[in-house]
Amino acid sequence: AQSVAQPEDQVNVAEGNPLTVKCTYSVSGNPYLFWYVQYPNRGLQFLLKYITGDNLVKGSYGFEAEFNKSQTSFHLKKPSALVSDSALYFCAVRDPRVGANNLFFGTGTRLTVIP
Amino acid sequence: EAEVAQSPRYKITEKSQAVAFWCDPISGHATLYWYRQILGQGPELLVQFQDESVVDDSQLPKDRFSAERLKGVDSTLKIQPAELGDSAMYLCASSLDGANTDTQYFGPGTRLTVL
Repeated sequence: AQSVAQPEDQVNVAEGNPLTVKCTYSVSGNPYLFWYVQYPNRGLQFLLKYITGDNLVKGSYGFEAEFNKSQTSFHLKKPSALVSDSALYFCAVRDPRVGANNLFFGTGTRLTVIP
Repeated sequence: EAEVAQSPRYKITEKSQAVAFWCDPISGHATLYWYRQILGQGPELLVQFQDESVVDDSQLPKDRFSAERLKGVDSTLKIQPAELGDSAMYLCASSLDGANTDTQYFGPGTRLTVL
């Protein structure tokens, strides 16, 4: 079975400081991993994905994430947070061995960047 | 930039009434998904189409929910009759060809409130 855990419901960070939003996953094989961001009353916007290759993935708006197989983690990072980064962030996983390619999402982490 | 379109954005209805949501995917995207997102949770897949065919509807409550994509382009999700527990955000997403490396792009969602 596939699952994703986002251990922190809320993350607060000061503007200009680095931010990390944590994600751990559970799949039987090699995972495909995704990060999305959701602003109030909006749909999800794609940030980045890991399929294969370099463990460090760079995405939109200066975000990056590092795939760590031994720790089964895919934490989202940004070197310098902006107030406009305040939103709800979702990690998602797909097991490529499963026929249907739907995504399994975590419960989300609310990021607040404090001016 | 091409986007997934959804309407209406907001819908308020009374229980036992029928509601319908519409989705127009990104042009050229063969795969269309409907997700339900309950407040405080991540999205959960309801149904996945490949062109006009249903690929996965295992999580769709078929006694009251139906979905169609007759010409393999836009899609309609219907609930009849609506129940209080159906209050949620209904998200539509599309991807290019359903490959498991595909990125899913989400629309703005329809927020349903059942009174």
